Amino acid sequence: DSGVTQTPKHLITATGQRVTLRCSPRSGDLSVYWYQQSLDQGLQFLIQYYNGEERAKGNILERFSAQQFPDLHSELNLSSLELGDSALYFCASSVSSTSGNTIYFGEGSWLTVV
Amino acid sequence: GENVEQHPSTLSVQEGDSAVIKCTYSDSASNYFPWYKQELGKRPQLIIDIRSNVGEKKDQRIAVTLNKTAKHFSLHITETQPEDSAVYFCAASGLDSNYQLIWGAGTKLIIKP
Repeated sequence: DSGVTQTPKHLITATGQRVTLRCSPRSGDLSVYWYQQSLDQGLQFLIQYYNGEERAKGNILERFSAQQFPDLHSELNLSSLELGDSALYFCASSVSSTSGNTIYFGEGSWLTVV
Repeated sequence: GENVEQHPSTLSVQEGDSAVIKCTYSDSASNYFPWYKQELGKRPQLIIDIRSNVGEKKDQRIAVTLNKTAKHFSLHITETQPEDSAVYFCAASGLDSNYQLIWGAGTKLIIKP
């Protein structure tokens, strides 16, 4: 158990719909990262928050947005869903945002768009 | 920006043999190089990491070597076992990436019985 909690674990939704994925970081970690992993693909970095503020942006679509709340949990919102958005979405956390800090992944949220 | 290339994409070795996965990076200022293991359907987990002030690090059957001059680092797994079958990801971070981890594409390691 990494200490990073993600909900829901699985969800199936229809094209055009909107979903919210939730992440609670490890106790004491201020930085939260979101990654997308399509079937048999690598880890695509989406976005990072540090202590409530956006720190870095990766290949995140405009249909996707995220935020980190004062209690440090984070949500990833995916809207106007397309079949290609079906993937495993990981949240990860680390103590800080600087180099050399281990990032710990949650178990992921499996999203299936039908 | 930083770029990390990982080879091979698939590696099949006989149980008990050694496996080596290599990553090259572009930013000479990169200073942190972790390796993650991801079993099928599970989360990536850190297995070993190395910083730029060290040339080699070992942890039981796993070792990582870093060649800063050539800008490459490698994961070595000795006496491979069936439970080593997984996808392995390398990553690098440093100033050029604003300390974000830049990931390799992954290597699928298959251990043949």
